[in-house]
Amino acid sequence: QLQLQESGPRLVKPSETLSLTCTVSGGSISNSSYYWGWIRQPPGKGLEWIGIIYYSGTTYYNPSLKSRVTISVDTSQNQFSLKVSSVTAADTAVYYCARLRLGPHRLLPDLFDYWGQGTLVTVSS
Amino acid sequence: EIVLTQSPATLSLSPGERATLSCRASQSVSSYLAWYQHKAGQAPRLLIYDASKRATGIPARFSGSGSGTDFTLTISSLEPEDFAVYYCQLRSNWPPTWTFGQGTKVEI
Repeated sequence: QLQLQESGPRLVKPSETLSLTCTVSGGSISNSSYYWGWIRQPPGKGLEWIGIIYYSGTTYYNPSLKSRVTISVDTSQNQFSLKVSSVTAADTAVYYCARLRLGPHRLLPDLFDYWGQGTLVTVSS
Repeated sequence: EIVLTQSPATLSLSPGERATLSCRASQSVSSYLAWYQHKAGQAPRLLIYDASKRATGIPARFSGSGSGTDFTLTISSLEPEDFAVYYCQLRSNWPPTWTFGQGTKVEI
C-alpha cells in the first residue's frame, strides 16, 4: 500500500524559507508511470496546486508561485522536497504531497491518485 | 489560464437524497477532469477521473459526466459518510498547470 508522509518544521518566520519533505513508502519514486507533487490549502480556502516533479528532475510550477518555489527529488531516499522562500502569512496552509499518475498515451499526468495526510505550516514571528 | 467554477458553494441535503454538483470550465477543455472528496483532517480522495471513470474502490453511487465546459458529479443516494467537500480538477495543456475548483460543501 502506497503511503506518503510530509515532514518538516510546523512554524516558519516571515521572510524565511519553508522546507518540507515527502517520504514515499510502498512504491518507488523512480517508477516512470508517476510524477510527484505538492498542493496546499490555506485555512478556510480551497486547494492550490504548487508544483510537480518527475524522478528525472523535470519540474512544473504554479506560475503564481514559481519565483519562490523549488521542488527537488532524492531517488536514493525515495523522497521529494518543497522549498518556498520569502514566506508571509499568506503561505500559512496545510501542505499535502501527492502522487500523479500518467495515463496511457499521455505526456503529462492528469490526476492526483494518492495523497499524504497533510501538515499544517504556520508563518508567524 | 483555465478557471474551474463549482456550484453551488454549499449543498444542504439529507441522507438518501441525490446530490448534483457542477463544475464549469472557463473554456472548452479535454475530458481529463477529476473529482475529489475531502474531509476535514484527512487526505483528499480521488473519486472520478477522465470525467466519468470511477477510481478504484469508489462506490457506484458516485458518477461523473460532462464534456466541453460543463461537468457534473452525481451522488445518487447520499450516505452519512458522503458529507464532505468536493473538488473538481483539470490539467491545462499549455502552460502545464493543474487547477482545482473552489469546492462544493455537501452538508447535512
